[in-house]
Amino acid sequence: AQSVTQLDSQVPVFEEAPVELRCNYSSSVSVYLFWYVQYPNQGLQLLLKYLSGSTLVKGINGFEAEFNKSQTSFHLRKPSVHISDTAEYFCAVSLMDSNYQLIWGAGTKLIIKP
Amino acid sequence: GAGVSQSPSNKVTEKGKDVELRCDPISGHTALYWYRQSLGQGLEFLIYFQGNSAPDKSGLPSDRFSAERTGGSVSTLTIQRTQQEDSAVYLCASSRTTSGRYEQYFGPGTRLTVT
Repeated sequence: AQSVTQLDSQVPVFEEAPVELRCNYSSSVSVYLFWYVQYPNQGLQLLLKYLSGSTLVKGINGFEAEFNKSQTSFHLRKPSVHISDTAEYFCAVSLMDSNYQLIWGAGTKLIIKP
Repeated sequence: GAGVSQSPSNKVTEKGKDVELRCDPISGHTALYWYRQSLGQGLEFLIYFQGNSAPDKSGLPSDRFSAERTGGSVSTLTIQRTQQEDSAVYLCASSRTTSGRYEQYFGPGTRLTVT
């Protein structure tokens, strides 16, 4: 069975500092990988996704993620965070054999300290 | 264009009552999903519709939960005889088609509180 692990439930960082949100997955087949963001009192929106090709994926709002197949990881990074990045971030995977279902991590709350 | 809409945005109900939650997907999206998000938890898959095919109900937690999708568009999630553990945010999402490579677009959710 597939699973997604987000190791940190909360990550506090100072404004303008770099941040990395960790995501590891377990799957016996190849997967597509996604990061979604949920701003306070809003629905989820796609931040970035990896389907194929370059393992470094750039998304909206200056975020990027790197797919590491050997470590089954898809960590999210931003070199300098802003107060507006305060949100909950979810990592998710779907199976390449056309399975539609997204398997979700438990989420990581990014807390920006002024 | 318009995104996924859900109604109501908030619902408070007494234990034992039935509730209906509505989802309007993005026009032209053939796939529709319902998820449940409990406090401090990730998203829990409930049910999936694709066009006119039979829905995948494998995520429904009990037979008190049911959903339908009329005309391949609007969907209603019904919870009968609500329990306090049903309190959560119910999210609806739609996507262009079934393939896992396509992004799911989410509505703002319905926050259900069972008292």
